[in-house]
Amino acid sequence: AQTVTQSQPEMSVQEAETVTLSCTYDTSESDYYLFWYKQPPSRQMILVIRQEAYKQQNATENRFSVNFQKAAKSFSLKISDSQLGDAAMYFCAYRSGGGATNKLIFGTGTLLAVQP
Amino acid sequence: DADVTQTPRNRITKTGKRIMLECSQTKGHDRMYWYRQDPGLGLRLIYYSFDVKDINKGEISDGYSVSRQAQAKFSLSLESAIPNQTALYFCATSASGGVKYQETQYFGPGTRLLVL
Repeated sequence: AQTVTQSQPEMSVQEAETVTLSCTYDTSESDYYLFWYKQPPSRQMILVIRQEAYKQQNATENRFSVNFQKAAKSFSLKISDSQLGDAAMYFCAYRSGGGATNKLIFGTGTLLAVQP
Repeated sequence: DADVTQTPRNRITKTGKRIMLECSQTKGHDRMYWYRQDPGLGLRLIYYSFDVKDINKGEISDGYSVSRQAQAKFSLSLESAIPNQTALYFCATSASGGVKYQETQYFGPGTRLLVL
């Protein structure tokens, strides 16, 4: 079974600085997709970025980028120029490329605080 | 994202009561999901439905049932609520077809349930 591990329960960053959130996963599959979701205090789950395992190029979305290391099964999220609005819980998630359920497997989350 | 709505947003109920959580979406997606979020455990899949006549159990379906009344509506019921069902419940939707990586799940705002 696939698992997703986020080893940093909490992180803190100064406004305008850069922070990296870690995520590792375990799978025997070669076809899969990885996601980072953000959950602010409003509780809404918001997609931040996604990565296809077959792509070597790291995904980027404005100030958010990932470092995808397929051999190491690592999928970290880098937030550049951190803003107060980035403060939230961040979840890493895995989805099988060939699975019947199409379900997302989530890590336990990293709570990010942004200091002014 | 107002495209996926959940009612109620908050609910307090007593042990043994039957309750229903409702999810509606205007995204036109055919696939819908119910997840449960517990502190320190991330989100886990309860049930999923790929169309009106296709409903499947997820990893933690015991004590829950669902109904897909229409493509846009997917309800979760607790037949006899118990305290360990106290959690945050999320509905999600996705669209089938097309390129697989485009099948991203979009979440509703969540329902916070407290069972006394």
